[in-house]
Amino acid sequence: AQSVSQHNHHVILSEAASLELGCNYSYGGTVNLFWYVQYPGQHLQLLLKYFSGDPLVKGIKGFEAEFIKSKFSFNLRKPSVQWSDTAEYFCAVNDPGATNKLIFGTGTLLAVQP
Amino acid sequence: ETGVTQSPTHLIKTRGQQVTLRCSSQSGHNTVSWYQQALGQGPQFIFQYYREEENGRGNFPPRFSGLQFPNYSSELNVNALELDDSALYLCASSFGSQAGYGYTFGSGTRLTVV
Repeated sequence: AQSVSQHNHHVILSEAASLELGCNYSYGGTVNLFWYVQYPGQHLQLLLKYFSGDPLVKGIKGFEAEFIKSKFSFNLRKPSVQWSDTAEYFCAVNDPGATNKLIFGTGTLLAVQP
Repeated sequence: ETGVTQSPTHLIKTRGQQVTLRCSSQSGHNTVSWYQQALGQGPQFIFQYYREEENGRGNFPPRFSGLQFPNYSSELNVNALELDDSALYLCASSFGSQAGYGYTFGSGTRLTVV
């Protein structure tokens, strides 16, 4: 069964620091990959997604992610974080056996200190 | 365009009771997916409703059931509540049943079972 691992549960950074959040999935076939963000008190929002094509995906608010098939990874990056990036970040992948189902990681709570 | 509205926002129930959670989908969307997010976990897929029928179910028992109405809004019903049902219940609407594509999430209903 497909699974998603986010190894960083809690990350604390200072403003202007670079960010990389890890995401690994288990299924080796064709996958659709997503990063969602949940700002304090708000609903989950899509940051970026990968379906096919260029493995370097650019999303909103300066975020990007790189799909590395050989490593089963889809890490999220941002060169310079801001205090407003404080949020919880979830990696998700489609279930290969059920195209209507997303499998989420446990999330990474990012705190950016001004 | 309107977003996804979930009601109520918070709810406290006693073990053994029944609960109904509601979701109004975004304008133009015809699919509703329900997810359960336990504390410290990522969202887990409960089921999806597409064209008023259940279109896939996750690993949840039959006491979790749902409905979709002609206006594409949806209900999640949980019977015989257990303490472990305490969680944030998220509704996501989309156009079409493919997971994650064009998902708009609601802010969720926080259910506490005592």
